[in-house]
Amino acid sequence: EIVLTQSPATLSLSPGERATLSCRASQSVSSSLAWYQQKPGQAPRLLIYGASNRATGIPARFSGSGSGTDFTLTISSLEPADFAVYYCQLSANWPTFGPGTTVDIK
Amino acid sequence: EVQLVESGGALAQPGGSLRLSCAASGFSFNKYALSWVRQAPGKGLEWVSAISSTGGSTYYSDSVKGRFSISRDNSKNTLSLQMDSLRAEDTAVYFCAKDIYGGISYYFDSWGQGTLVAVSS
Repeated sequence: EIVLTQSPATLSLSPGERATLSCRASQSVSSSLAWYQQKPGQAPRLLIYGASNRATGIPARFSGSGSGTDFTLTISSLEPADFAVYYCQLSANWPTFGPGTTVDIK
Repeated sequence: EVQLVESGGALAQPGGSLRLSCAASGFSFNKYALSWVRQAPGKGLEWVSAISSTGGSTYYSDSVKGRFSISRDNSKNTLSLQMDSLRAEDTAVYFCAKDIYGGISYYFDSWGQGTLVAVSS
């Protein structure tokens, strides 16, 4: 079973700052990785799939990179609506989610 | 606009059963795979089950295999999850989620608002 770990657990930043979130897989998953944003009381929203492809309607300030075991979600300049929990997810065979990174306001 | 609306969540006793439904609209229902994903209170996301566009292939997580059954009715644009032998650890909000592709890719580009299942005596 492939395990995903996310770091940091919490990221405290101010609007306008750059956010860098990490997701690491216990073994190579090629580019089979997605990122989701979830706000309290809401369903998750797909941001990135295939490690680096932005989903429909996702602003360009969100970008994904990486392959193999190490992946990064970058938010170039945080807006107030971006403070949320972010999950990475393995899409291959056994869809597994990471534990999440909370991006909160500093 | 894609809409997924879950229903059927309720309080159930351990060992009991529930049937969840997800009514879909705004897309060609019979062309996309669908999944159920759950989230225990205050916890992360856990994939539960998936079904192919035709319903001919189904997949389950180890935690629900043998107890839950996923199905779909392409004539009624409805996804279902039959949940038997419920356990306390099944307590969660259950989301239905649409696959981004026609085949099963496990990239979920649309989600319902969720329905709460609570298992307790």
